[in-house]
Amino acid sequence: DVKVTQSSRYLVKRTGEKVFLECVQDMDHENMFWYRQDPGLGLRLIYFSYDVKMKEKGDIPEGYSVSREKKERFSLILESASTNQTSMYLCASSWIVAGQTNTGELFFGEGSRLTVL
Amino acid sequence: AQTVTQSQPEMSVQEAETVTLSCTYDTSESDYYLFWYKQPPSRQMILVIRQEAYKQQNATENRFSVNFQKAAKSFSLKISDSQLGDAAMYFCAYRSGDTDKLIFGTGTRLQVFP
Repeated sequence: DVKVTQSSRYLVKRTGEKVFLECVQDMDHENMFWYRQDPGLGLRLIYFSYDVKMKEKGDIPEGYSVSREKKERFSLILESASTNQTSMYLCASSWIVAGQTNTGELFFGEGSRLTVL
Repeated sequence: AQTVTQSQPEMSVQEAETVTLSCTYDTSESDYYLFWYKQPPSRQMILVIRQEAYKQQNATENRFSVNFQKAAKSFSLKISDSQLGDAAMYFCAYRSGDTDKLIFGTGTRLQVFP
C-alpha cells in the first residue's frame, strides 16, 4: 500500500513562529502536493512539486514556501505563522500522468492540524 | 478555469438505505477525469471511485456507483445499502487530462443513522 506520512498530526504555534510541516511518501511518486482544508472551502492547493527541487505555485501560495530536496520528501514552510493560517494541511502524492496510463489519483497523508495562537 | 461544485453541505441517510451525493463541474475540456474521495473523521482521505470522461459506462465499486452525465457536467455518487462506516466527508474532484493537479469541491458531510 502507498503510504504518505505527515510528521505531525497536531501542532500549536505562536504568531510569528517559523513552522515546518514534513511529508514523506514511499511509492516513488514524482508528484507531491500540499493542500489546505477549511470548512466550506474544501481543499485548496498551496504548492505542487513534480520533481526534486521543482515547484509550482497553487491557488493560495501567499505566506507559504516549500522545499523538495529528495524525491520522497516535501516540506511546507510557514516563514512567519499568522492566525489566519490555522487550518488542516494535507499532503498528497501521485505518479506523473504525462505519457502514462494512470488516472492521476492522489494518495493522501492523515493531515496536520495547525493552530496558530 | 475549471470549477467543481458540491451543492449539498450535509446529507443524512438511514442505515441500509441509498443516498446520492451531487457534484457538478465546469470545463471546456474533452479529456478529463473525475474522482470521489472519502474522508472519515480524523482519518486520511481515500479514493472511493474514479471515472474517465471518455468512458460512457458509469463506474461502480461494490456499493458505490456514479451517475456520469457528460453533457450536463454532472457526476453524482450513489451509495447503496449505507453502513455506519460510510459516515464521512465526501469530496468530488476533477483533473484535466493535461495536468497532474486535482481541483476539489467544497465537500458533503454524510451522516448515517442506525
